[in-house]
Amino acid sequence: QVQLQESGPGLVKPSETLSLTCAVSGYSISSGYYWGWIRQPPGKGLEWIGSIYHSGSTYYNPSLKSRVTISVDTSKNQFSLKLSSVTAADTAVYYCARHDGGSPNAFDIWGQGTMVTVSS
Amino acid sequence: SYVLTQPPSVSVAPGKTARITCGGNNIGSKSVHWYQQKPGQAPVLVIYYDSDRPSGIPERFSGSNSGNTATLTISRVEAGDEADYYCQVWDSSSDHPGVFGTGTKVTVL
Repeated sequence: QVQLQESGPGLVKPSETLSLTCAVSGYSISSGYYWGWIRQPPGKGLEWIGSIYHSGSTYYNPSLKSRVTISVDTSKNQFSLKLSSVTAADTAVYYCARHDGGSPNAFDIWGQGTMVTVSS
Repeated sequence: SYVLTQPPSVSVAPGKTARITCGGNNIGSKSVHWYQQKPGQAPVLVIYYDSDRPSGIPERFSGSNSGNTATLTISRVEAGDEADYYCQVWDSSSDHPGVFGTGTKVTVL
């Protein structure tokens, strides 16, 4: 079955760039679907960060757009998130997920999530 | 950007029915999806496209959407249904297409 696994540093210093990767198994990214990133600060709700198609077409949350880059590497069957100029407000569990269907809509498969703390 | 408003909490006795609302301007014109999240776990899709259930989700979970309110209904509530629930919509024509609701904590008494 399709599985997603986030990876990356658990601790990032303020003003630096947060970088995470989502490895996809059980399905070839180049075959279709949109793929997304969602985050959840401790004790708070879910926030959509952005989504990408295998072709590289992207949608971003406008509140984060100036700091976010989402890219896809079909050769490694993974997609990535970069968030620049981080502050303590970016401390959160970061999830990668797959959109169901051929266009972005619901998120039907999620990774387990990875906690990222922004602190010096 | 589009705002989805949920009640912070809902309490329900075992065996009874829980209804969780998700309010948004003309939400009835959009497709609404619902997620269940238990402590320390990733969200799980329980209802999509207003009222469809993914494979493996019990029939006790149902959804509806009309006007300015979408509703997730959990019938014959069990202790294992205690969790946070989030609604979500996607609007490709918006500059903020992906939106989650504020979340509702369901407590089973």
